[in-house]
Amino acid sequence: DAKTTQPPSMDCAEGRAANLPCNHSTISGNEYVYWYRQIHSQGPQYIIHGLKNNETNEMASLIITEDRKSSTLILPHATLRDTAVYYCIVRFSGGGADGLTFGKGTHLIIQP
Amino acid sequence: GAVVSQHPSWVICKSGTSVKIECRSLDFQATTMFWYRQFPKQSLMLMATSNEGSKATYEQGVEKDKFLINHASLTLSTLTVTSAHPEDSSFYICSAEFGLAGYNEQFFGPGTRLTVL
Repeated sequence: DAKTTQPPSMDCAEGRAANLPCNHSTISGNEYVYWYRQIHSQGPQYIIHGLKNNETNEMASLIITEDRKSSTLILPHATLRDTAVYYCIVRFSGGGADGLTFGKGTHLIIQP
Repeated sequence: GAVVSQHPSWVICKSGTSVKIECRSLDFQATTMFWYRQFPKQSLMLMATSNEGSKATYEQGVEKDKFLINHASLTLSTLTVTSAHPEDSSFYICSAEFGLAGYNEQFFGPGTRLTVL
């Protein structure tokens, strides 16, 4: 799986949009970008994933650059409960049977 | 989304004893489950892949005789930490594969905090 690079930490004001960047310059054509988050002392939670088109769901939006070498996770209206470590992971999808490789992630702190 | 549970949520044991952690997929069948370990202020590390009806596949550096994995049914995988020592104290998390609309997704359990005295 391709390696990802994320900033170690970010702050965001409550109610504002949180934009979390991820670099994955070695991504291959059939690898997807996945985002998970882990709230303190809990198991990771799936947020969103995409291949090359921008994606949106009830939790977030995912913007993938045209060359697919980077992406941005957007939490449109951050709340205090969004404080967590966010992991950007690149992996094949549909193949299954592969554990996930977690990097250090970005610790997002939402400020009141 | 699919739900994965773990039991117990936390356990404290004496050094030298064995501890069993259960991982269950509550509303779906999972032929593949994964076990991760997370030390304080570190990221999750994959320990092993658990396949229903066959032997688990362990990551490099993980002792298979110390971390026994049994995946006896499509909804249950167990991790037994044998002869636990303080250095085994960690947060153990399982996940289960579930097929969704043409792709596979992993759903994670809430984790089990193990403290070995």
